[in-house]
Amino acid sequence: GAVVSQHPSWVICKSGTSVKIECRSLDFQATTMFWYRQFPKQSLMLMATSNEGSKATYEQGVEKDKFLINHASLTLSTLTVTSAHPEDSSFYICSPNQRGGYPRSYNEQFFGPGTRLTVL
Amino acid sequence: AQTVTQSQPEMSVQEAETVTLSCTYDTSESDYYLFWYKQPPSRQMILVIRQEAYKQQNATENRFSVNFQKAAKSFSLKISDSQLGDAAMYFCAYRSNTGNQFYFGTGTSLTVIP
Repeated sequence: GAVVSQHPSWVICKSGTSVKIECRSLDFQATTMFWYRQFPKQSLMLMATSNEGSKATYEQGVEKDKFLINHASLTLSTLTVTSAHPEDSSFYICSPNQRGGYPRSYNEQFFGPGTRLTVL
Repeated sequence: AQTVTQSQPEMSVQEAETVTLSCTYDTSESDYYLFWYKQPPSRQMILVIRQEAYKQQNATENRFSVNFQKAAKSFSLKISDSQLGDAAMYFCAYRSNTGNQFYFGTGTSLTVIP
C-alpha cells in the first residue's frame, strides 16, 4: 500500500513559537491533501483542504493565519502552527488523496501516522 | 452536509466472539462510499473495509464484514472471531463520489476481553 510519512511524530514547544509539520506521500502523487485535528478520545476534525499549487480551503472556525498550509508539490504538504498556545496541543493527521483510474475513478485516501503537538 | 452517527461510544467483546458496531448516516446522494477505519493506540488510521453504495453485495475482508442497508442508511461492521489485536477505536466514515472529503462518526471504542 501507499506510504505516507509525517515529521515530526511528536513535538513539544513553548507557547508563542511556531511549529512546522511535514507530510509526504512517498510513492504516489497527492492531488489533494486534507489536514485533520484530533483531540483525545474524539473523532477527526477536518481543518483544511488543499490542492497542489492552490491556496487551502479552511473549515469554519479554523484560523487560516494561525494554521498555515502549503501544498507546494504533489508529494509534500506542510502545516505550520504559528504562535502556538497550549490550546493548540492536539494530534494532527494529514491525509493525502491519490486519484484512481479505470474502470471507476476512485480516489484512494491515505492517512499519515500523525503528529502529537504539545505546547507548554 | 452529510452526517455520520455512531451510537455506541464503547463496546466490549470476548475473545473469539462476534461483535457488531453500528453506524447510520444521512445523505441525499445516491452514489457514495462508506468506510470503517480502525485507530489503535498508535493513532495510525487503518482502513478496515470499504463499501461502494452502488454495489448491493456487502463487502467482506476476512473476519470483517458489513451489513449495508442503503434504504435505511445503515452500515454496521461485524467482527467475527475477535482477537486481542482488534481492540481499538473504530470510525465509520462517508465520502461522496463527487468529492474527496470524509465525514467521520464519533467513534466506537472496542475492548476485547481475553
